[in-house]
Amino acid sequence: GEDVEQSLFLSVREGDSSVINCTYTDSSSTYLYWYKQEPGAGLQLLTYIFSNMDMKQDQRLTVLLNKKDKHLSLRIADTQTGDSAIYFCAELDNFNKFYFGSGTKLNVKP
Amino acid sequence: TAGITQAPTSQILAAGRSMTLRCTQDMRHNAMYWYRQDLGLGLRLIHYSNTAGTTGKGEVPDGYSVSRANTDDFPLTLASAVPSQTSVYFCASSDPDRGYTEAFFGQGTRLTVV
Repeated sequence: GEDVEQSLFLSVREGDSSVINCTYTDSSSTYLYWYKQEPGAGLQLLTYIFSNMDMKQDQRLTVLLNKKDKHLSLRIADTQTGDSAIYFCAELDNFNKFYFGSGTKLNVKP
Repeated sequence: TAGITQAPTSQILAAGRSMTLRCTQDMRHNAMYWYRQDLGLGLRLIHYSNTAGTTGKGEVPDGYSVSRANTDDFPLTLASAVPSQTSVYFCASSDPDRGYTEAFFGQGTRLTVV
């Protein structure tokens, strides 16, 4: 399968910006995604970016895509305690399979 | 809207026993998936199905089987459970025929094999 990698933990203070990074291997991925998982729950789609885009902004969320380096990042502005969760990067391959990273646990300190 | 329903929510299973995890979706999505989530490993694809009547192996298929008799249901069977299959299992679906697609997830089944 494809290899999607993320760091496991990130800790920030409330009000600061959070940046979660991801690298992937499949250069033919059509879409790349960020999912959020709260404790005891399934995954919910946060945002996605089409592979021909460099950046996408959606309220407090900014997604940056560097296709040359196969690097995806998610920036959360003005991070709140409610943003504490696990964030998964994912890619969609040409066979309609989604591959997920290990997840980054974001801890927001008040 | 129900979306994706998984059952049971949690289960404790004796090693060597068999079990079927159920997954039903009401969105008429063609593609369905089973993932397992383990700490530090993220979600790993077990099996998938791109349409009713077809299935395929994912990253970690050993010890698991699936069937896709119709569009709505995608059960996952453990024929003879082992402790390493202790995990949280997520079913997901998507509709790749729309052009843009995302994966929709169920709430998960927490399985403990003892």
